[in-house]
Amino acid sequence: KAGVTQTPRYLIKTRGQQVTLSCSPISGHRSVSWYQQTPGQGLQFLFEYFSETQRNKGNFPGRFSGRQFSNSRSEMNVSTLELGDSALYLCASSSGLAGAPDTQYFGPGTRLTVL
Amino acid sequence: AQSVTQLGSHVSVSEGALVLLRCNYSSSVPPYLFWYVQYPNQGLQLLLKYTSAATLVKGINGFEAEFKKSETSFHLTKPSAHMSDAAEYFCAVSVAAGYSTLTFGKGTMLLVSP
Repeated sequence: KAGVTQTPRYLIKTRGQQVTLSCSPISGHRSVSWYQQTPGQGLQFLFEYFSETQRNKGNFPGRFSGRQFSNSRSEMNVSTLELGDSALYLCASSSGLAGAPDTQYFGPGTRLTVL
Repeated sequence: AQSVTQLGSHVSVSEGALVLLRCNYSSSVPPYLFWYVQYPNQGLQLLLKYTSAATLVKGINGFEAEFKKSETSFHLTKPSAHMSDAAEYFCAVSVAAGYSTLTFGKGTMLLVSP
């Protein structure tokens, strides 16, 4: 099976702009989670989508949003970019099914730089 | 709420030496525990996971970890380090079956010298 793919791999934006990142999960996986990785804060959970519904959300401002499509592909959007949003954004997919420990498989990430 | 503590932001070993990366967790309910590895400019790769079956878990690339409930630990070991093991290692916990949100430790960078 193909792994998790993320596009684009690298992005450079300026403060105040908005950005959209895309994630395609492993075939058959219905859950997609997003994480932000920075040197200072480490890996932090942003949100999880399952069957087109946000199922869980981390502690991030409303400028961070996401959605999931019927084919399980997901996008996250960051509006009004700030310098502190510079990070590696990782997408992870899993089956999302209840009743069993669920393993997340990660994509290569999108490196966002805000100038 | 659950949390993970990884002792040591950097660990240095010589090639062929034992690798020991420490992870302690805090959870009010039985946890699921994971170790991931991250190579430069890449995503996270799953090394191994504990899901309440055997307490000694074997993973890829010769790594293993032992779940010790009394010590709330899940340390990662490898008998003999290889240069290719140099990377950053993350311990993570989740607590709700089917809700796979992970809480990560801060990571440990493993440095391997010849």
